Amino acid sequence: AQSVTQLGSHVSVSEGALVLLRCNYSSSVPPYLFWYVQYPNQGLQLLLKYTSAATLVKGINGFEAEFKKSETSFHLTKPSAHMSDAAEYFCAVSDLGTGNQFYFGTGTSLTVIP
Amino acid sequence: ETGVTQSPTHLIKTRGQQVTLRCSSQSGHNTVSWYQQALGQGPQFIFQYYREEENGRGNFPPRFSGLQFPNYSSELNVNALELDDSALYLCASRVGTERWETQYFGPGTRLLVL
Repeated sequence: AQSVTQLGSHVSVSEGALVLLRCNYSSSVPPYLFWYVQYPNQGLQLLLKYTSAATLVKGINGFEAEFKKSETSFHLTKPSAHMSDAAEYFCAVSDLGTGNQFYFGTGTSLTVIP
Repeated sequence: ETGVTQSPTHLIKTRGQQVTLRCSSQSGHNTVSWYQQALGQGPQFIFQYYREEENGRGNFPPRFSGLQFPNYSSELNVNALELDDSALYLCASRVGTERWETQYFGPGTRLLVL
């Protein structure tokens, strides 16, 4: 079965500092991995996804993530945090088989300190 | 803006009642998935419909049921509401059922069961 673990339910960074949000996955098949962002009282918006084309994936708003098979990780980074990055971030893995479930992590709340 | 809308935005029900939540997907999106997001948690997969037939289900009891219509709208029905059903309900649509496809989420319906 597939699953994801997000280490750190809350992360605080200063404006302009590096953002690093951690995601580790468990999958018995080559995974497809996604990062979504959720702003207060809104649905989820796709930041980026890994579909095996390239291990370093660039997304919207300056975010990127690197797929590391040996570490079963897909950490999300951004070189310089902006106040508007404050939100909840979810890592997800897509299941194999019918139904194609997405398994989401429990989320990481990012706070950006001015 | 994902092109996925949900109604109502908020709903209050009492235990034992029944509720219907609605979702309107993007035109051409044949697959719709429903998720339950409890406070402070990641979304949990309820079920998925493809071309009006359920083709995947998460660990939710039969009192959670759905319908998908040819006009790209869908419904989530919950019978015999329980207090633990209080959550944000999200629908997500995509064109097909491939694992690598992006799901586009609506803003959600927040359900409170008293």
